[in-house]
Amino acid sequence: AQKITQTQPGMFVQEKEAVTLDCTYDTSDQSYGLFWYKQPSSGEMIFLIYQGSYDEQNATEGRYSLNFQKARKSANLVISASQLGDSAMYFCAMRERIQGAQKLVFGQGTRLTINP
Amino acid sequence: NAGVMQNPRHLVRRRGQEARLRCSPMKGHSHVYWYRQLPEEGLKFMVYLQKENIIDESGMPKERFSAEFPKEGPSILRIQQVVRGDSAAYFCASSPRAGNSYEQYFGPGTRLTVT
Repeated sequence: AQKITQTQPGMFVQEKEAVTLDCTYDTSDQSYGLFWYKQPSSGEMIFLIYQGSYDEQNATEGRYSLNFQKARKSANLVISASQLGDSAMYFCAMRERIQGAQKLVFGQGTRLTINP
Repeated sequence: NAGVMQNPRHLVRRRGQEARLRCSPMKGHSHVYWYRQLPEEGLKFMVYLQKENIIDESGMPKERFSAEFPKEGPSILRIQQVVRGDSAAYFCASSPRAGNSYEQYFGPGTRLTVT
């Protein structure tokens, strides 16, 4: 079974600094997908970025980039020029394929706090 | 183009009552996933349904929990005889087909509190 590990329960960063949120994964599948979601205090799950296991380049979406190191089985999220609105919980997730379904397996999350 | 809708957003039930959570997928989506988030934890998969079929319920507790996705109307997650440990946020996600879950869109969640 797939497993996602996020080792940073909480992080505090100064506004405008870059921040890296760690994520390691464990899978025996050759084809898989990795996701990052943001969950602000309001509770909704906001999709940020996706990386496929066969993608040769690291995914980027605006200020978000995914540092994908396949050999190390890590998929860290990098947020450049952090803003106060980035304060939230961040979840790393992996796609697990079961009978054609593609359910997501989530890590425990990292609570990011941006200080002014 | 409305997103995934869940209602109610907040639900309070006393121990022993029933809780019914509803999820209306995005227009054109026929695949629904339910996830549960306990306080300070990540989301955990519960069940995957297509119209009128349960495809994978490996994450559902064996008792008191059931789910359906009828031909017409929303998907329903039903919890009978709720206990305090059922207090959590329940998220629904939908996708247009059984494919790349890049297309799995989440609803705002229902926060269930059992008193």
